[in-house]
Amino acid sequence: DTAVSQTPKYLVTQMGNDKSIKCEQNLGHDTMYWYKQDSKKFLKIMFSYNNKELIINETVPNRFSPKSPDKAHLNLHINSLELGDSAVYFCASSQAGVIYEQYFGPGTRLTVT
Amino acid sequence: DQQVKQNSPSLSVQEGRISILNCDYTNSMFDYFLWYKKYPAEGPTFLISISSIKDKNEDGRFTVFLNKSAKHLSLHIVPSQPGDSAVYFCAAQTGNQFYFGTGTSLTVIP
Repeated sequence: DTAVSQTPKYLVTQMGNDKSIKCEQNLGHDTMYWYKQDSKKFLKIMFSYNNKELIINETVPNRFSPKSPDKAHLNLHINSLELGDSAVYFCASSQAGVIYEQYFGPGTRLTVT
Repeated sequence: DQQVKQNSPSLSVQEGRISILNCDYTNSMFDYFLWYKKYPAEGPTFLISISSIKDKNEDGRFTVFLNKSAKHLSLHIVPSQPGDSAVYFCAAQTGNQFYFGTGTSLTVIP
């Protein structure tokens, strides 16, 4: 009964491909997030989303797009993958308005070759 | 624009002693500060938080201190246990923005 789960755990793909990472939370939270942890271990928020509002970090390329089929899921789609997209991507969730108590998934290690 | 900084990438402490992890920030508008703990191949786990209106918060062996004038916070773990060995991330929040430091790897030596 994992609280926040992500699939796949590892993803290896070639430049130019389009891929998706799935995230599900069973905590009943209203808000979900995507983070990127780069090679320098720097965790940076990419998106926060609830059923009312999508907030995008302005530094995120528009090749990245979150898709939420329902409150419990926030998938990350990446188009035209580039070498620099290689990183670990973490999904997280929290109660609306309680951004400071986020629960994280185990991460997806994406490698673009 | 690294608004939250952890300048010590690693720290080793003997079991039973105190571990002190430090964090500095630049934005005086942060509302909350948090510490997360991360084991390999897992996501960060929320550990303890402190509101910007307080200067100390304690939870069992973990205490976070906030010095707003110095824009500095620290996490004290006492006594340290081998199971505390992990990477500790400092984080700060203002509005919808959330910033993490780069982490400090703590090793508690039995």
